[in-house]
Amino acid sequence: DTEVTQTPKHLVMGMTNKKSLKCEQHMGHRAMYWYKQKAKKPPELMFVYSYEKLSINESVPSRFSPECPNSSLLNLHLHALQPEDSALYLCASSHGDRNYLEQFFGPGTRLTVL
Amino acid sequence: AQSVTQLDSHVSVSEGTPVLLRCNYSSSYSPSLFWYVQHPNKGLQLLLKYTSAATLVKGINGFEAEFKKSETSFHLTKPSAHMSDAAEYFCVVSPSGGSYIPTFGRGTSLIVHP
Repeated sequence: DTEVTQTPKHLVMGMTNKKSLKCEQHMGHRAMYWYKQKAKKPPELMFVYSYEKLSINESVPSRFSPECPNSSLLNLHLHALQPEDSALYLCASSHGDRNYLEQFFGPGTRLTVL
Repeated sequence: AQSVTQLDSHVSVSEGTPVLLRCNYSSSYSPSLFWYVQHPNKGLQLLLKYTSAATLVKGINGFEAEFKKSETSFHLTKPSAHMSDAAEYFCVVSPSGGSYIPTFGRGTSLIVHP
């Protein structure tokens, strides 16, 4: 299985809502990533988990809260978002060994904040 | 430090003609280099990768790229464009000797005319 799955595909939420994005992989990868992508732009790195520990937080606002319950799952908890947070949120995974750096991306969750 | 420059924001070709998407990089360590493709509202798919083996790398869908250390380039080519190649292409560098956080180029939009 070389797939990264993300749910939901689409999410519309108000600024006072709390929601979560979910990402799952069964490739045995030990590094997992959250990216935010605006239209016509490259993905921007938000968080990196390495061996289930948060290793990188790219100065992301606290209204985004990541969680890695186990080596296959990655969540992104959302609370009190702003309309400018509307974007495509991509999850990716990689082997975790520096000799195997290619990332496998999920299809993304299209988030709209009203 | 590392950086990636995709020299063209848009490339327009006719179906059946060659494709050239240009990428230059800089990296303090021996880099791993990747090309990803993203179709509209989809995740990123790995086209090919260079990880210090053969300098001419063949990927999926007839794409290939050549790593030229002297020119710090990793240009993506395809002999004959197909309509289905129309997409956004990202060149990515990861330093194999340091942190494995990838750096994305700004992207090149490939337009294919019938």
